[in-house]
Amino acid sequence: GAVVSQHPSRVICKSGTSVKIECRSLDFQATTMFWYRQFPKQSLMLMATSNEGSKATYEQGVEKDKFLINHASLTLSTLTVTSAHPEDSSFYICSAIRQNSNQPQHFGDGTRLSIL
Amino acid sequence: GQQLNQSPQSMFIQEGEDVSMNCTSSSIFNTWLWYKQDPGEGPVLLIALYKAGELTSNGRLTAQFGITRKDSFLNISASIPSDVGIYFCAGQLSYKLSFGAGTTVTVRA
Repeated sequence: GAVVSQHPSRVICKSGTSVKIECRSLDFQATTMFWYRQFPKQSLMLMATSNEGSKATYEQGVEKDKFLINHASLTLSTLTVTSAHPEDSSFYICSAIRQNSNQPQHFGDGTRLSIL
Repeated sequence: GQQLNQSPQSMFIQEGEDVSMNCTSSSIFNTWLWYKQDPGEGPVLLIALYKAGELTSNGRLTAQFGITRKDSFLNISASIPSDVGIYFCAGQLSYKLSFGAGTTVTVRA
């Protein structure tokens, strides 16, 4: 089945550090990947849509200079949280859609980001 | 994203009981999805519904896509301890998903 791998699973770092999170589709090619953010006891909120070979589309209120997205290949998208601050601490989850299919999104296991 | 109303917010049930939860929206979706999320993990797809009126089962799970395309329900029959978790509905339009707030299910053995 469709498997999405996310790395790292947990990051703890100091304020001001930039953190990169990787999302890989392991057994399929994904033209489109998505990045979500989830606060404790809340639902998933879409941050941006990542398209291979083009600029990401950000949802309203999401700072594109703060959350840099790169989708350089059909199996890898990265999210970089630049100059992270404590308020950026959250659970970040990616998902991917198999290329040329109507299959639903498959999610990674998430990255717990804690900024001290 | 669009607002989905998911209820109930939480449930505390006895093992063996049936569970029902539902989602409604003011907007139409092309696809309804139900996911389960365990603590510290990403959501796992349970059931996908593609046609209005569609009723689909996956083991002890049954879900339906409402005729109006604005609602869906999920039933879990004969609950067991591993059913504990948070269940999310999601409506899909084009490739985008809008999630409900989640239903937290706690099963008492």
